[in-house]
Amino acid sequence: DTEVTQTPKHLVMGMTNKKSLKCEQHMGHRAMYWYKQKAKKPPELMFVYSYEKLSINESVPSRFSPECPNSSLLNLHLHALQPEDSALYLCASSRLTGYNSPLHFGNGTRLTVT
Amino acid sequence: RKEVEQDPGPFNVPEGATVAFNCTYSNSASQSFFWYRQDCRKEPKLLMSVYSSGNEDGRFTAQLNRASQYISLLIRDSKLSDSATYLCVGGGSQGNLIFGKGTKLSVKP
Repeated sequence: DTEVTQTPKHLVMGMTNKKSLKCEQHMGHRAMYWYKQKAKKPPELMFVYSYEKLSINESVPSRFSPECPNSSLLNLHLHALQPEDSALYLCASSRLTGYNSPLHFGNGTRLTVT
Repeated sequence: RKEVEQDPGPFNVPEGATVAFNCTYSNSASQSFFWYRQDCRKEPKLLMSVYSSGNEDGRFTAQLNRASQYISLLIRDSKLSDSATYLCVGGGSQGNLIFGKGTKLSVKP
């Protein structure tokens, strides 16, 4: 069982829709992440939050907007997405940012943009 | 040179075989490394952490060679259920963790 919970598991949205992905962890981790993964590729880092502040934005288009309401929650707001944004979106957490703390992943949200 | 590189495979091995994957890294400041296992259409799951020279857990052994800057994962007595993609993760130059491209393993009966 994963200790990082993501909802929804699957999402289909049109290019004009606005939707949000949600992630929750109760391990007391202070770093939370959003990754995007396409088929047969490794996870690609999008955003990092450290102590509830955005610390890394990997030049992600503004149609993806992250939010960290508190230390346990992480959201990803989606607006005006393109079909090429269809992918598996993974949330992860770690005790701290940096090299020494492994990432713990949620089950992911499989997003299809039509 | 990419920061973390892996042989993508695929590795096709019979049940019971021993198989080894290598992963090279370029950031000599990286202190810790991790191996993740990812099944098709599932999230990556942490398999092993490597903080010093190596780590062993049952049939799995991870070794770190700092002089040559590579990490290896050895799987002994392969099971059908070991079939998956194995991702090597190390520290990048920007202070975050970097994934290798993954090595696909298929264990055949």
